Amino acid sequence: GAVVSQHPSRVICKSGTSVKIECRSLDFQATTMFWYRQFPKQSLMLMATSNEGSKATYEQGVEKDKFLINHASLTLSTLTVTSAHPEDSSFYICSGSGQGVEAFFGQGTRLTVV
Amino acid sequence: ILNVEQSPQSLHVQEGDSTNFTCSFPSSNFYALHWYRWETAKSPEALFVMTLNGDEKKKGRISATLNTKEGYSYLYIKGSQPEDSATYLCASRYNFNKFYFGSGTKLNVKP
Repeated sequence: GAVVSQHPSRVICKSGTSVKIECRSLDFQATTMFWYRQFPKQSLMLMATSNEGSKATYEQGVEKDKFLINHASLTLSTLTVTSAHPEDSSFYICSGSGQGVEAFFGQGTRLTVV
Repeated sequence: ILNVEQSPQSLHVQEGDSTNFTCSFPSSNFYALHWYRWETAKSPEALFVMTLNGDEKKKGRISATLNTKEGYSYLYIKGSQPEDSATYLCASRYNFNKFYFGSGTKLNVKP
């Protein structure tokens, strides 16, 4: 299957700082990127959907000013957690979809805010 | 938020056993059903995506079926091997952009 590279895999940051997570589609053009969050022992929860060149669409309850998503090219999407707080500590993962119906995941990022 | 349920939560089988899991989902506005295999510290690996009622897909010893009218999908593994140990996730997709994941079935295959 196609490859999505997500970095960093782990990050620890201080409360109040911002953290950027990158997802790159390596061998296909990701016209749509999905961003998820997973709390311990829970399902992956869709946070937002971004289409290349457009503003992201956020799910209900997800703060767009807190979780900034940029999808400036067909191979790169970024999620920036702004002014992070301990409650933002979670597992974040992206998946990219091209022209077809399949969606391919990155490796995920474990964020810890201290 | 739509409720996608997977059962069982976990499963322990012996090498060589065949096994199956269930994913149930709301069928209204259904677009596609995805199955993923997720090993620790790796990306979820796409196994199957199905869109039509009655779809059946097969990849080696793993196969899946889809019933969109009643809102369920089965994943079958024939002759389980230790390397099949992983969490199997299903995701139901609506209106192209809305994915809802189940909590996964954690499979452990003992040699």
